[in-house]
Amino acid sequence: AQKVTQAQTEISVVEKEDVTLDCVYETRDTTYYLFWYKQPPSGELVFLIRRNSFDEQNEISGRYSWNFQKSTSSFNFTITASQVVDSAVYFCALRRTGGFKTIFGAGTRLFVKA
Amino acid sequence: DAGVIQSPRHEVTEMGQEVTLRCKPISGHNSLFWYRQTMMRGLELLIYFNNNVPIDDSGMPEDRFSAKMPNASFSTLKIQPSEPRDSAVYFCASRTRESTDTQYFGPGTRLTVL
Repeated sequence: AQKVTQAQTEISVVEKEDVTLDCVYETRDTTYYLFWYKQPPSGELVFLIRRNSFDEQNEISGRYSWNFQKSTSSFNFTITASQVVDSAVYFCALRRTGGFKTIFGAGTRLFVKA
Repeated sequence: DAGVIQSPRHEVTEMGQEVTLRCKPISGHNSLFWYRQTMMRGLELLIYFNNNVPIDDSGMPEDRFSAKMPNASFSTLKIQPSEPRDSAVYFCASRTRESTDTQYFGPGTRLTVL
């Protein structure tokens, strides 16, 4: 069975603070994909990143970085120098290679205060 | 490039009425997904189409829900008769057949059943 756990329901930070959103997953598949999506207050779901289970290199995109550790089944997301516009719900998701069903975590709501 | 298009963006209806939600996937994408998002249950996959054919509708809550994809550029999700517990945001997503590809979501339809 596949499962994605985002233990942090809500996080509140002050602008310019760094913040890490945790994601832990469970799967018996040997190959899979991990994703992060952002859902701002406007409601749409915005794709942020996809990571192949073969590739454990960390990735950085501007203020965003992702730390994938297969040994701990974690795919954490860090926002550096957070901004008010980062306020959103962030979803971590998992899909096995060749599969069609994407399993979403419950989401972490991030509040960034000015 | 246009993303996934959904209409209407908001729908308010009375219990017992028929509701039809519409989706136009990204051109060239041959997989289409309907999701429902509620506070209680998070993101739920309702149905998945591949090349216009329904592959898995195990997430459709009951017979009141039906979905069609008459061609590669259009899909509908119908609820008849609607009930207050159907109130949610309904998302459509699409992706290409390749298993590496990512789902891209539409802006969603916020449905309120009074």
